[in-house]
Amino acid sequence: TQLLEQSPQFLSIQEGENLTVYCNSSSVFSSLQWYRQEPGEGPVLLVTVVTGGEVKKLKRLTFQFGDARKDSSLHITAAQPGDTGLYLCAGNTGNQFYFGTGTSLTVIP
Amino acid sequence: KAGVTQTPRYLIKTRGQQVTLSCSPISGHRSVSWYQQTPGQGLQFLFEYFSETQRNKGNFPGRFSGRQFSNSRSEMNVSTLELGDSALYLCASRTILGLNTEAFFGQGTRLTVV
Repeated sequence: TQLLEQSPQFLSIQEGENLTVYCNSSSVFSSLQWYRQEPGEGPVLLVTVVTGGEVKKLKRLTFQFGDARKDSSLHITAAQPGDTGLYLCAGNTGNQFYFGTGTSLTVIP
Repeated sequence: KAGVTQTPRYLIKTRGQQVTLSCSPISGHRSVSWYQQTPGQGLQFLFEYFSETQRNKGNFPGRFSGRQFSNSRSEMNVSTLELGDSALYLCASRTILGLNTEAFFGQGTRLTVV
């Protein structure tokens, strides 16, 4: 049983399109991180959200933490081929990190 | 500041052998966690060490073990390798255990068991 469920699991879009990835749980987290991972490499930290309702922007990426700190979303505007990768969310309970199931994004030029 | 360093990057072992993987955390980070990543199961937590003590353990058999040294470097050992142990093994370091500390990953060790 996964503590964090991500949707969609796979996403293939054309360059220039917008997309949203969701990370949902029934558990409350003290913070939540988003990572991007390329094949054969380790995940790279993109952002950490801490406060319920918090919104953070990283260029064309917008991250939001749910008001109840149980869920999060990642929105990408005008996707580019360089955005291709596996996106992982990770919830921190203080004791341990729990990783989501991952969303594999392919942006077609 | 150097990132998390894992060695070796690639490893091929025969079923029944044992293997030791190494992880050097970011300087100043005292917590090291280990994860197994496979296409079917995603990222699975193995264990976390802090100040040379195992703080948390995932649901893996006893063939998977680890340790942490006084300089925070960590090693992970897998004995009696099985084909299903083929995976990308990742370690992550963070400064301390805590609510809002961030985990930073190494590039991983790709283990192939034949």
